[in-house]
Amino acid sequence: QKEVEQNSGPLSVPEGAIASLNCTYSDRGSQSFFWYRQYSGKSPELIMSIYSNGDKEDGRFTAQLNKASQYVSLLIRDSQPSDSATYLCAVMGNYGQNFVFGPGTRLSVLP
Amino acid sequence: EAQVTQNPRYLITVTGKKLTVTCSQNMNHEYMSWYRQDPGLGLRQIYYSMNVEVTDKGDVPEGYKVSRKEKRNFPLILESPSPNQTSLYFCASAGLLTGELFFGEGSRLTVL
Repeated sequence: QKEVEQNSGPLSVPEGAIASLNCTYSDRGSQSFFWYRQYSGKSPELIMSIYSNGDKEDGRFTAQLNKASQYVSLLIRDSQPSDSATYLCAVMGNYGQNFVFGPGTRLSVLP
Repeated sequence: EAQVTQNPRYLITVTGKKLTVTCSQNMNHEYMSWYRQDPGLGLRQIYYSMNVEVTDKGDVPEGYKVSRKEKRNFPLILESPSPNQTSLYFCASAGLLTGELFFGEGSRLTVL
């Protein structure tokens, strides 16, 4: 069974620090990788998608993918209290395959 | 505006009374899916669909039915709801080229 694991939380960082969220996946055939942010009681919203090895930056967010190690991470620079949420890693296989979500990591950014 | 619309957003019902939660997307997405989310258990997939007339079970399909007669709609049917189906439900859709999932706002269901 395909699995996605994330570092267990909650993760607490001070305001202005870098938050690092990690995700590993079991299916070597996975092609597409996503990070979602979910505030309590709200729907998940897409933060980043990454499809090839390396880094992808978008504002304060950087996604890193290493397919050889089956590892994807999300860095949040200059963390703000508004970043406090649960972060979900999601993986999709080839075209036409289902998504698999990790259990999520809860992040708290302390003022 | 690109969106996934779920209805109803909130519902309180009684055991055994059939109900349907509708989901509609306006992005011409092939993929649609239903999830439930319970405290401490994360997102659990109920059913998904890769295209019209193609549906498959997710992790927790028991007690649910779906249909995909049109590309834009993917209703979730609870034939005989039970209290253990009290949950927050999310519908999502994605184009299979990018795989970027868009979620509806959620439907909070309580079964008494």
